[in-house]
Amino acid sequence: SAVISQKPSRDICQRGTSLTIQCQVDSQVTMMFWYRQQPGQSLTLIATANQGSEATYESGFVIDKFPISRPNLTFSTLTVSNMSPEDSSIYLCSVLRRGGDIQYFGAGTRLSVL
Amino acid sequence: AQTVTQSQPEMSVQEAETVTLSCTYDTSESDYYLFWYKQPPSRQMILVIRQEAYKQQNATENRFSVNFQKAAKSFSLKISDSQLGDAAMYFCAYRSGLLNTNAGKSTFGDGTTLTVKP
Repeated sequence: SAVISQKPSRDICQRGTSLTIQCQVDSQVTMMFWYRQQPGQSLTLIATANQGSEATYESGFVIDKFPISRPNLTFSTLTVSNMSPEDSSIYLCSVLRRGGDIQYFGAGTRLSVL
Repeated sequence: AQTVTQSQPEMSVQEAETVTLSCTYDTSESDYYLFWYKQPPSRQMILVIRQEAYKQQNATENRFSVNFQKAAKSFSLKISDSQLGDAAMYFCAYRSGLLNTNAGKSTFGDGTTLTVKP
C-alpha cells in the first residue's frame, strides 16, 4: 500500500483568502489526482496532477481557481483560491502506483469557508 | 463518459445478517476496473474490494464479495455476517484502464449509507 500524508487535515478560512493543501506520498507514483467531496455527496475529480507540467482539469474546474503543482513524483499541492462558502468541502489527494490497479487516498482536508 | 449509479441512498441490516448493495455503470471501454470503497465518519476512503473487468470470476475478500455481471454492467456488493464496524458510506467506483483516454481516472457513485443494527 501507499502511505499518503495530506496536510492540513482541516482548516477554517475567511472568504477571499487562499489555502494550499499538500500531498506527500512515501514512494514514487505514476498518477496523482485531486478530488472534491462536498458535504453529503460523492467524490468529484478536480484534476490530474502532472509532474513538471500543467495539471489536466476536469470540466467545471479551472486553473485560476484551483492551481496545482507537482514538482516531483511524490509531492503535489492544490490551492483553493479566492475562497467562498461554496468551496467548503473535503479535498482528497489520490495516487496510482506504477503498474498498480489500486487507487490510494489521503485522509482528506476538511475545509470550511466563513 | 462513464457513469456510476447507486440506486440505494440508505440501507440497513441486522448484525450478523447479509446485505447487498447495488451498483450499475455505463461505459464503452473494454479495459476498466470496478471498486467498492468504504468511508466511515473519519472520511478515510478504505478499499473494500476490486474487480478487473477482464476477469469473469467474482472477487471475494473475507466477508465481502461481489456479483459482477459484465453484460448487464452491474456490480453489487454482498456483505455477509454484518458487523457494527461495517457501518459507513459505501461508494462504488469505476476506473478506466491505463490504455484508455481517461487512463486512471475514477468515477464514483453517489454512495449508500449502511446502518448496522445491533
